[in-house]
Amino acid sequence: QVQLVESGGGLVKPGGSLRLSCEASGFTLRDYYMSWIRQAPGKGLECVAYITRDTSTVYYADSVKGRFTISRDNAKNSVYLQMHSLRAEDTALYYCARDLNWNVDYWGQGTQVTVSS
Amino acid sequence: QTVVTQEPSLTVSPGGTVTLTCASSTGPVTSGYYPNWFQQKPGQAPRALIYSTSNKHSWTPARFSGSLLGGKAALTLSGVQPEDEADYYCLLYYGAPQPWVFGGGTKLTVL
Repeated sequence: QVQLVESGGGLVKPGGSLRLSCEASGFTLRDYYMSWIRQAPGKGLECVAYITRDTSTVYYADSVKGRFTISRDNAKNSVYLQMHSLRAEDTALYYCARDLNWNVDYWGQGTQVTVSS
Repeated sequence: QTVVTQEPSLTVSPGGTVTLTCASSTGPVTSGYYPNWFQQKPGQAPRALIYSTSNKHSWTPARFSGSLLGGKAALTLSGVQPEDEADYYCLLYYGAPQPWVFGGGTKLTVL
C-alpha cells in the first residue's frame, strides 16, 4: 500500500539546521510531484516546498526561500528538505505529500520540528 | 501574495447539510485551479476527500461532494454524521511561482 514516512525532525536552536527525509513505498516515486507542507501548532497548512518529477523545477514559499532546499532521489524513493537558518516560526509538524495531475492524495504522518533555545 | 479564504467556523446539526466554500484573492475560482479538499481530525494527518473540483477518492464517503458555486470552490456534506466534526482545508493550484496555496481552514462543529 502507499506509504510516506517522514523522519529527521527534532529540537534545534535558532540558526541551526535540519534535514528532513520522506521515504516513499507502494508506488513509483518518479511518477509524482512532491511537496513539503507544514502546520504550526494550532494553525493551518502551508505548502513550503514543491518539486517536479524530474527535479527540473522547484518552488518555495516566501517564508522559507533562501533557507530551505527541496530535493529528491527517485532511485532511493526519497524526498528531502534541507533547512538552514531555522527560526522559532519554523516550529511545526512537517508533512510530505504526493501529487499527480493536481490530485494531492497521500500524506505522511509528519515529523515535528521545534526551534527553541 | 495570494490568499485563499474559507469560513473560519461552521456549525451543523446531525443529519443536516452544510456547504463550505473556498475563495481566491485573484478572482473567481474555476476548474483550472483544480480545487482539492482535505479533512483533518485532531492529532491526525490531513486526509484527502476531493480533487479537481468534484472527483472523489475511493475512500471518500458518498455524503461528501465538491463543486463550483458563485465563483468559489465548494464542499457540501449531506446527511452530516457526528464523525464529520473536523477541520476542512481547501487547496488551489496557481502554477509558478507558488503552485499550491491552502485556505485557512474551516472548523466544522456537529451539534
